[in-house]
Amino acid sequence: DVKVTQSSRYLVKRTGEKVFLECVQDMDHENMFWYRQDPGLGLRLIYFSYDVKMKEKGDIPEGYSVSREKKERFSLILESASTNQTSMYLCATIRDRINSPLHFGNGTRLTVT
Amino acid sequence: DQQVKQNSPSLSVQEGRISILNCDYTNSMFDYFLWYKKYPAEGPTFLISISSIKDKNEDGRFTVFLNKSAKHLSLHIVPSQPGDSAVYFCAARGGATYQGGKLIFGQGTELSVKP
Repeated sequence: DVKVTQSSRYLVKRTGEKVFLECVQDMDHENMFWYRQDPGLGLRLIYFSYDVKMKEKGDIPEGYSVSREKKERFSLILESASTNQTSMYLCATIRDRINSPLHFGNGTRLTVT
Repeated sequence: DQQVKQNSPSLSVQEGRISILNCDYTNSMFDYFLWYKKYPAEGPTFLISISSIKDKNEDGRFTVFLNKSAKHLSLHIVPSQPGDSAVYFCAARGGATYQGGKLIFGQGTELSVKP
């Protein structure tokens, strides 16, 4: 079974803080993704990564950056947290094969006050 | 633009009856479609998928139907159980959007199965 672990289930941060969300996978998957989920908007892609030190912008990258120093770890960084970044953040991985599903972690519920 | 749409935000069904969740897409290059189930405060879990070369895929109580000409897919749950109550997301990938396997998701439909 694929295991995708997000370091925090719940976080509360103040406006302007720098926030780090960590994701670790144990299946040696090449590709990793960060999504956010908001009611009525579904899941929207923030950033993804093909390989170590590689990153690509998703659909809503503004206000975020990412880091992938090791294959198993993909970090999402909120440079200066704002209230509109209050959301559920979901990390996912995939072995890049035809017709493979994404495997998600349990999510981090971030509240920015 | 929303390439994958779930137009029903919620659905309520009686236990034992059929649940039908619908999803429409606009990109004819999509070639792989998936359904995920999500409980509150948990990540989405993969439920069932279908390739564009098929029009039906079945797994136990879950069946996904794909109508490529209408750009429409649906998920049937028979019989529905209270434990099926969750938010269901459809997702798609393919063509120019493939990019490492990323998925494009619909807005979700909240299913409530009443005992």
